[in-house]
Parts: sequence; C-alpha cells; structure tokens
Amino acid sequence: GAVVSQHPSRVICKSGTSVKIECRSLDFQATTMFWYRQFPKQSLMLMATSNEGSKATYEQGVEKDKFLINHASLTLSTLTVTSAHPEDSSFYICSAKKDSVTTEAFFGQGTRLTVV
Amino acid sequence: DQQVKQNSPSLSVQEGRISILNCDYTNSMFDYFLWYKKYPAEGPTFLISISSIKDKNEDGRFTVFLNKSAKHLSLHIVPSQPGDSAVYFCAASLPNTGNQFYFGTGTSLTVIP
Repeated sequence: GAVVSQHPSRVICKSGTSVKIECRSLDFQATTMFWYRQFPKQSLMLMATSNEGSKATYEQGVEKDKFLINHASLTLSTLTVTSAHPEDSSFYICSAKKDSVTTEAFFGQGTRLTVV
Repeated sequence: DQQVKQNSPSLSVQEGRISILNCDYTNSMFDYFLWYKKYPAEGPTFLISISSIKDKNEDGRFTVFLNKSAKHLSLHIVPSQPGDSAVYFCAASLPNTGNQFYFGTGTSLTVIP
C-alpha cells in the first residue's frame, strides 16, 4: 500500500501558541489530502479537504482562520492550529488518495496534540 | 448528525471463533463502504471495502456483508486471532465527493487467546 507520513506524532504546546502538523505522501503524488480530528471515543470527523494549489474546503463548523491548511505541493499538506487552546487538544489525522480511481484512502499515523 | 453508526463500542471474542462487527448508516446515497483497523496512537489502516452494487466481499479471513435495504453492513473475521485486537471503524462515502469519508465511532475488538 501507499505510505503517508505525518509529523510530529505527539506535540505539547502552550495555550496561545501555534502548531504545525505535516502530512506527506512518500511514494505517490496526492492532489487531494484530507484532515480529520478524533475526540476520545468518537469517530473521525472530517475537518477539511486540502487541494494542491488551491484553497482548502472546510466542513461546516470548522474555523478556517484557526485551522490553516496549506497544500503547497503534490506530496505535502500542512495543518496549522493557530492560537491553540486546551479545547483544541485532540488526535489529528491526515489521509491521501493515491489517484482519482482508487477509492480507499491511506492514513498518516496521526498527531496527538495537547495544549496546556 | 451521525450518518454512520457503530452501536457496539466493544466486543470480546475467543481466539479461533468468529468476530462480527456491525455498522448502520442512514444516508441511502452512500455508494462505497470501507472498514479500517486502528491501533492506539496510530492512523487507521485500510482493511476491506465494498461497493454498493455488491452484497459481499471476501478477502482471506475478512468478509464484509452489505444489506442495502436495511442500511447495514457487517465485518466478519474468521478465525479471529489475538493480533486482530484493535479498534475497527466502518466508513462510507458519497459518489463524486472526492473520497470524503463518514466514519462510525468504532468498535474495540479484543480477541482472547
């Protein structure tokens, strides 16, 4: 299967600071990447769809100014949590689709963000 | 609004027996369904999928059944192995949506040796 790498796997930051999470497709080019958030004992909730070279599409209820997404190349998408607060503490996961035909998505290993 | 539901948060099965994980959905427009397996602190890994035009798909020890009229799908694992212990998510996607998935809340499977 294809490999998607997410970095960092864990991060602790102070309230009010910003944190950047990277998602890379290592062995394929991904025109579209997806960012999910998982709360404890809840399902993965799609936050936004990241398109290479264009603005991300955010799901309803997700603050685009708080969760900045940049898809600068076909192998890299970044999620920046700006002015983080304790309620932003969560597990963030990215995924990428290999091509327009394949339906399955490949997931990164996730990032555990803790805001103190 | 949770469109994909997994009503059993946990399941315990003896090694060698069958594990059956269930998933219900509300949106009849979903056309593709997937099962993902997730270990703690890791991202989900794809397990098996099924298109809405089928009612069964089998891959080794894993079989997914789809009942469109009941809006229900299930994952059967036979025989269950201790290494199967993980959280299983079912997911569904709508046609022409760029592969956005709607996930269930997950079922934690424990296979007892």
